[in-house]
Amino acid sequence: AQKITQTQPGMFVQEKEAVTLDCTYDTSDPSYGLFWYKQPSSGEMIFLIYQGSYDQQNATEGRYSLNFQKARKSANLVISASQLGDSAMYFCAFFRAAGNKLTFGGGTRVLVKP
Amino acid sequence: EAGVAQSPRYKIIEKRQSVAFWCNPISGHATLYWYQQILGQGPKLLIQFQNNGVVDDSQLPKDRFSAERLKGVDSTLKIQPAKLEDSAVYLCASSSLPRVGSGANVLTFGAGSRLTVL
Repeated sequence: AQKITQTQPGMFVQEKEAVTLDCTYDTSDPSYGLFWYKQPSSGEMIFLIYQGSYDQQNATEGRYSLNFQKARKSANLVISASQLGDSAMYFCAFFRAAGNKLTFGGGTRVLVKP
Repeated sequence: EAGVAQSPRYKIIEKRQSVAFWCNPISGHATLYWYQQILGQGPKLLIQFQNNGVVDDSQLPKDRFSAERLKGVDSTLKIQPAKLEDSAVYLCASSSLPRVGSGANVLTFGAGSRLTVL
């Protein structure tokens, strides 16, 4: 079974600064994807960014970028210019193409300080 | 487009009672997922449907949990009898089938149903 690990349980970041959230995974599948979701205190899961295993370039979506290092099996999320509204739980998730299955890591709580 | 609808949002029951959660996915989404999220943890997949067939229910505690997706649209997740450790948020998500040669399709989540078992 795929294993996905987020080693940082919680982080503080100063407003307007960048923050990197770590995510590593373990798989032997050649075709897969990595998702990042944000979960604010209200509880909904909000899709942020996706990286496919065959994508040649790192994914970017506005202030979110994904530092994908395939050989190291890591897919770190970078949030630039942090805002107070970025305070939330962030989950990395591994998508297994065979079976359409999404497995989540344990999450990292981010608190943005003014 | 309308999002994934779930109800009820909150439910409090005593142990050994039963409870049911309902999910209406995004129209046209063939795949439906139920996740259990215990406080402080990441969501754990309970069951995955494609249309009205079960794709994966390997982590569903089948002695007390059941789920169905009639006609490949709405889905119901039932717990009977509930235990204290079932206290969690139950998240429903849906996605369309991946296009051939494309990457994964994004799972869209509902707001969740928070269950407290006393």
